[in-house]
Amino acid sequence: EDQVTQSPEALRLQEGESSSLNCSYTVSGLRGLFWYRQDPGKGPEFLFTLYSAGEEKEKERLKATLTKKESFLHITAPKPEDSATYLCAENSGGSNYKLTFGKGTLLTVNP
Amino acid sequence: DAGVTQSPTHLIKTRGQQVTLRCSPKSGHDTVSWYQQALGQGPQFIFQYYEEEERQRGNFPDRFSGHQFPNYSSELNVNALLLGDSALYLCASSLGGGTRNQPQHFGDGTRLSIL
Repeated sequence: EDQVTQSPEALRLQEGESSSLNCSYTVSGLRGLFWYRQDPGKGPEFLFTLYSAGEEKEKERLKATLTKKESFLHITAPKPEDSATYLCAENSGGSNYKLTFGKGTLLTVNP
Repeated sequence: DAGVTQSPTHLIKTRGQQVTLRCSPKSGHDTVSWYQQALGQGPQFIFQYYEEEERQRGNFPDRFSGHQFPNYSSELNVNALLLGDSALYLCASSLGGGTRNQPQHFGDGTRLSIL
């Protein structure tokens, strides 16, 4: 069965302290790797899609990268408003079918 | 540009009852997926609707059923509710078809509590 594993489960950073979140996926024929941000009581907010190894996407302080087995979400000089749960999901099956999610990384950025 | 809207936002039911949750997709989207998210877990795929048909289904029992209407909106029905059905139910919309997987955009969910 497809499996997505995220680490660490929780991460506490000081404002300005850069770090990375990891997402490992175990499915062949990846059709897309997705990163989402989820705030408490809200639905996941789409951040990035990565399709092939070597691909990188950036948005403000966030940068997502993809290898054949893992994806990383790099957070540069984070601010308290970056605090959220970050979810990774892979897309399996045909075009636009189900997303298989990891459990997420709870990021807390202290001022 | 309206995003994905879900109703109601909160719902309390008792065991054995039935519930219907509703979803309107983002403007321009034609595909709706439903997910169940338990506390502290990632969302789990229930099923996806495209062109008013169920296109794929996750590991959920037949008590979970759905429907998509001609205007692309969708309903999720759950029968014979169990305590374990308590969760946040998320609807996601996207563009179907095509050769690349388009991102799914989520609503803020319906929080269902079973007493």
